Amino acid sequence: NAGVMQNPRHLVRRRGQEARLRCSPMKGHSHVYWYRQLPEEGLKFMVYLQKENIIDESGMPKERFSAEFPKEGPSILRIQQVVRGDSAAYFCASSPGTGVEETQYFGPGTRLLVL
Amino acid sequence: LAKTTQPISMDSYEGQEVNITCSHNNIATNDYITWYQQFPSQGPRFIIQGYKTKVTNEVASLFIPADRKSSTLSLPRVSLSDTAVYYCLVGGPRGDDNTDKLIFGTGTRLQVFP
Repeated sequence: NAGVMQNPRHLVRRRGQEARLRCSPMKGHSHVYWYRQLPEEGLKFMVYLQKENIIDESGMPKERFSAEFPKEGPSILRIQQVVRGDSAAYFCASSPGTGVEETQYFGPGTRLLVL
Repeated sequence: LAKTTQPISMDSYEGQEVNITCSHNNIATNDYITWYQQFPSQGPRFIIQGYKTKVTNEVASLFIPADRKSSTLSLPRVSLSDTAVYYCLVGGPRGDDNTDKLIFGTGTRLQVFP
């Protein structure tokens, strides 16, 4: 059973370009979470999605950031017009979405560098 | 969502038992306590989760006193490969806002020496 997959693992963009980060949850998981981590800091929650629905986006910046989790295919975190401050590691986690207490399993992350 | 407090760093030697204590004074009745381990350049890895008393798995033990205002992660006989950052999190199941988002602190940086 493959774990959470993220790609690309490393992404370099110039200021003003778009970054698209992909996350494939574990098999059978229908809940996806995105977190951002700056160096020497803990992860910061960004958004929580279920299939075709955004449940909680309280951690998402109001502009330039968007996320989706379509019925088919991976979840996408999209950052438009990237700035240097967007450089960070972005982690995706998934959970089954079936129980009362659910463990989140994390992917290896995508390291975004904005030049 | 309850805030957690844990030591910034700890040092140990190979073969020793390491206990990392986390304070969560405002833990809610339906909150679980979860510990994650993170190596550099990797995503957090689930270690253990509990609600009360003691939980043990093949990797660690989790001790939770009756008042649940703190918890202790116990790593028996650590090795060099246990050098990592350990995060204590409190939350879930879905509360009134129907979310399971995890609130990470800065974690405890454990350094194991030979």
